[in-house]
Amino acid sequence: AQTVTQSQPEMSVQEAETVTLSCTYDTSESDYYLFWYKQPPSRQMILVIRQEAYKQQNATENRFSVNFQKAAKSFSLKISDSQLGDAAMYFCAYRSKAAGNKLTFGGGTRVLVKP
Amino acid sequence: NAGVTQTPKFRILKIGQSMTLQCTQDMNHNYMYWYRQDPGMGLKLIYYSVGAGITDKGEVPNGYNVSRSTTEDFPLRLELAAPSQTSVYFCASSARGQYNSPLHFGNGTRLTVT
Repeated sequence: AQTVTQSQPEMSVQEAETVTLSCTYDTSESDYYLFWYKQPPSRQMILVIRQEAYKQQNATENRFSVNFQKAAKSFSLKISDSQLGDAAMYFCAYRSKAAGNKLTFGGGTRVLVKP
Repeated sequence: NAGVTQTPKFRILKIGQSMTLQCTQDMNHNYMYWYRQDPGMGLKLIYYSVGAGITDKGEVPNGYNVSRSTTEDFPLRLELAAPSQTSVYFCASSARGQYNSPLHFGNGTRLTVT
């Protein structure tokens, strides 16, 4: 079974600075998708960014970017120019057709943004 | 466009009581999922369905049951509530074959069992 590990329970960042969240995963598949979701205190699950395993180019979405290292099974998220609204729980997630199209989540990293 | 709708938003149950968490989606999605999220933790899959009449167990199915009689609805049933089932429950859906698409989540149901 696929597993997703987020080793940082909490990260703190100064407003306007950069923070990087770690995620590693375990799979024997070659075709899969990786996601970062944001969960603010409202509980809503918001997609931040996605990466397809067959694409070597790292995905970017405005201030959010990923460092996808397929061989190392690593998928880190970088938040640049951090804003107060970035404070939330962030979850890394894995999905593949071979795994029954289920989404497997990591345990989450809480991001605190200091003004 | 309502998306994924969950009811109720909050519920308190006594040990041994039963209840059904409702989930409906209006996007004609084939795939639907139930997750639970314990405090400070990630989401764990309880049950999922790839279409009407088809359901399968996820990572933590014990104590729960589901049915999928229509494409739109995917209710989750708790038969004998236990304190270990205190959690936030999320329903989600996605279209068939679009594996790079995000899941569409409901806003969650906070359940407390005392």
